[in-house]
Amino acid sequence: DAGVIQSPRHEVTEMGQEVTLRCKPISGHNSLFWYRQTMMRGLELLIYFNNNVPIDDSGMPEDRFSAKMPNASFSTLKIQPSEPRDSAVYFCASSLGWNTGELFFGEGSRLTVL
Amino acid sequence: KNEVEQSPQNLTAQEGEFITINCSYSVGISALHWLQQHPGGGIVSLFMLSSGKKKHGRLIATINIQEKHSSLHITASHPRDSAVYICAVAGGADGLTFGKGTHLIIQP
Repeated sequence: DAGVIQSPRHEVTEMGQEVTLRCKPISGHNSLFWYRQTMMRGLELLIYFNNNVPIDDSGMPEDRFSAKMPNASFSTLKIQPSEPRDSAVYFCASSLGWNTGELFFGEGSRLTVL
Repeated sequence: KNEVEQSPQNLTAQEGEFITINCSYSVGISALHWLQQHPGGGIVSLFMLSSGKKKHGRLIATINIQEKHSSLHITASHPRDSAVYICAVAGGADGLTFGKGTHLIIQP
């Protein structure tokens, strides 16, 4: 298996623009997680899905952030409109079980909002 | 919400030394993860524990459920072990809660 695949790896955009990050989990994994990492706050869970259903989105910063998982092999994290404070590395991870499975991380999407 | 504390925050050691990184948490969990993040940024899962001890090569992870504490040990440390080591706990409806990480530097 190719592992968790994220795109884009890097994105630079201007404040106010819409940003869409994409994730393809490992085939057969039923849990998918979106994390954000910054120097100040470290790793933070934004949202996670179990069997394509969002379980907990309490980590999503505000209404500008939204995430979808239309099927078992694809998820998106959207920021609209983007702000400079959204600059971070966004990681997607998948596992066999939402709280008991080993985590497999994508390589991350580095977002810079100017 | 679980509070996860890691210690030390920063650790510099000489090649060959035995390394211990600690993680404590406040609320009972279903599993604990040790993650490694190299300067390039990628995150790799080292261990997932719910009890006892696991070993993989020079890495050993232990967990004491009663004391809500886990340790990650590195034997015969090597410069390539230099990375950030992150403890994360899973339990309840919170998904994962992360520690702030331990920055490890192994000098030749």
